[in-house]
Amino acid sequence: KQEVTQIPAALSVPEGENLVLNCSFTDSAIYNLQWFRQDPGKGLTSLLLIQSSQREQTSGRLNASLDKSSGRSTLYIAASQPGDSATYLCADIIQGAQKLVFGQGTRLTINP
Amino acid sequence: DAGITQSPRYKITETGRQVTLMCHQTWSHSYMFWYRQDLGHGLRLIYYSAAADITDKGEVPDGYVVSRSKTENFPLTLESATRSQTSVYFCASSDGGQETQYFGPGTRLLVL
Repeated sequence: KQEVTQIPAALSVPEGENLVLNCSFTDSAIYNLQWFRQDPGKGLTSLLLIQSSQREQTSGRLNASLDKSSGRSTLYIAASQPGDSATYLCADIIQGAQKLVFGQGTRLTINP
Repeated sequence: DAGITQSPRYKITETGRQVTLMCHQTWSHSYMFWYRQDLGHGLRLIYYSAAADITDKGEVPDGYVVSRSKTENFPLTLESATRSQTSVYFCASSDGGQETQYFGPGTRLLVL
């Protein structure tokens, strides 16, 4: 059974810093991996999707990488801003499956 | 408005009552999903649907019923609500089973 883990559960950094959020998964036979953002009391917003054949994806200040051999993905946020404060979740889909398996998220706080 | 909507946004009910949560999407996505989000468990898939009249169980289907008579609607029914079904419920849709999922704003359900 696929398990997705995100450590740490919470992270607080000063504004302007570059930071990395971590995601690990137990089954390397993934089809893709997705990063989401969730603001308090809101739904999830898709940030980036990395296909299994890709090593990374970029969108603005966000860069997500994927290393299937080590079972890891990272989300890099450059020049963090208070508006980046949210919970970030990663989720993957196993080859042949149609179900996302979510990590429990990292709650990020950017301090002005 | 285009997108994915859920109703009601908040619901309080009593143990044993039947409750239906509604989900509507305007993209004509073939796939729709129901998740519940609980502290300590993260997001867990309840049911999903690959097309109208095609549904399948997720990780935690017990106590729930779904139907999909039209592509754009995917209601979730709690046949006899229990306190353990107190949760935040999210609906999502995607263009394919392994594509980016787009989430609704959620329904907060309290079962007394």
